[in-house]
Amino acid sequence: SAVISQKPSRDICQRGTSLTIQCQVDSQVTMMFWYRQQPGQSLTLIATANQGSEATYESGFVIDKFPISRPNLTFSTLTVSNMSPEDSSIYLCSVTTGESNQPQHFGDGTRLSIL
Amino acid sequence: QKEVEQDPGPLSVPEGAIVSLNCTYSNSAFQYFMWYRQYSRKGPELLMYTYSSGNKEDGRFTAQVDKSSKYISLFIRDSQPSDSATYLCAMSSQGAQKLVFGQGTRLTINP
Repeated sequence: SAVISQKPSRDICQRGTSLTIQCQVDSQVTMMFWYRQQPGQSLTLIATANQGSEATYESGFVIDKFPISRPNLTFSTLTVSNMSPEDSSIYLCSVTTGESNQPQHFGDGTRLSIL
Repeated sequence: QKEVEQDPGPLSVPEGAIVSLNCTYSNSAFQYFMWYRQYSRKGPELLMYTYSSGNKEDGRFTAQVDKSSKYISLFIRDSQPSDSATYLCAMSSQGAQKLVFGQGTRLTINP
């Protein structure tokens, strides 16, 4: 399966600032997704990153707070804007290859703490 | 009510035991079912992927789907300490898109 690299692996940020998380895949993939995993909780889908067009956001997530880019078939970024302590979480990138019914594979995530 | 319910545990068993992990769901449109294993400070790793009802076996792991009862299970035979991790069930009605995850069960295998 594809090798998925996320940067940074962890960060500690001040409230009110923004952080951009990168997701790089070693091969072209069909779909890329961004998830949030809050402490002790399961994964929640934030959005689907669409190549060359605006991301598709899930209920409860908005573009102003979580702008996403996907300039090509191997790379995407998620920005967490105007951060507050409630944004402290693990942010995970996942991808699928081939047809849309292929399962998702995940990167190791970015562990974000907001002071 | 959550769409997917999974007992968070923690679950602790001796090495060599058979482990049963379970999820129930409420959305009858779910057709794709997955089990992921997540080690501490790592991303989820796909273990099993099944479509519709039935059983699927891969080595020591067996995934079981009962759509009539809206119930899925993962069995681990001859459990090893290296199986200690959090196990997440996930499901979707749209192939690999829009996965809905259970809360995850934290499993410890004691030597």
